[in-house]
Amino acid sequence: GAGVSQSPSNKVTEKGKDVELRCDPISGHTALYWYRQSLGQGLEFLIYFQGNSAPDKSGLPSDRFSAERTGGSVSTLTIQRTQQEDSAVYLCASSLWRGGNNEQFFGPGTRLTVL
Amino acid sequence: QQPVQSPQAVILREGEDAVINCSSSKALYSVHWYRQKHGEAPVFLMILLKGGEQKGHEKISASFNEKKQQSSLYLTASQLSYSGTYFCGTEEGHYGNNRLAFGKGNQVVVIP
Repeated sequence: GAGVSQSPSNKVTEKGKDVELRCDPISGHTALYWYRQSLGQGLEFLIYFQGNSAPDKSGLPSDRFSAERTGGSVSTLTIQRTQQEDSAVYLCASSLWRGGNNEQFFGPGTRLTVL
Repeated sequence: QQPVQSPQAVILREGEDAVINCSSSKALYSVHWYRQKHGEAPVFLMILLKGGEQKGHEKISASFNEKKQQSSLYLTASQLSYSGTYFCGTEEGHYGNNRLAFGKGNQVVVIP
């Protein structure tokens, strides 16, 4: 596609429910990143994928968070038993990853609200 | 480790210049700059690599002092379109680790 797409754009859920967020990266981009942005805050790194592998999962806040990527393309971020503090905008980015020159292209984000 | 960005906010008139800064306590491989407008996704501006290579926006320049682990972004002859929050993302390590730690941002407001 022309850019990174994410779905849904908005998600309202009740505390304790599971949610699944989807990211479609730019075609051909090998690296994919998930970030979380709370109101008025910076970007908090969650996880990144190189192909289908996740070399660095250390940013995931708890074991309720998991992510996978299949076919070197689409990725899903799953949050189990959601809590109110999980409310944030979840941003996905992808890059070609040419060594250190990894310009990241961001998607529009999914705004998650946990009631 | 999250870099520190300063100043937190800048208000300037169209045509004026401003400098915003990003500093880290860790040795850095690269520094990335992004701009985010309200309700939109961050947009890439610039990458500065250890060793002096730069890639980025034509009208916005930046510097990277590897020894001090600091980067500065120079907004010259600012335009209304420069308004937004500027985030620096730092990549640590001698060879990089493909993970960016972002600061809390510099909010820039350009007024007519």
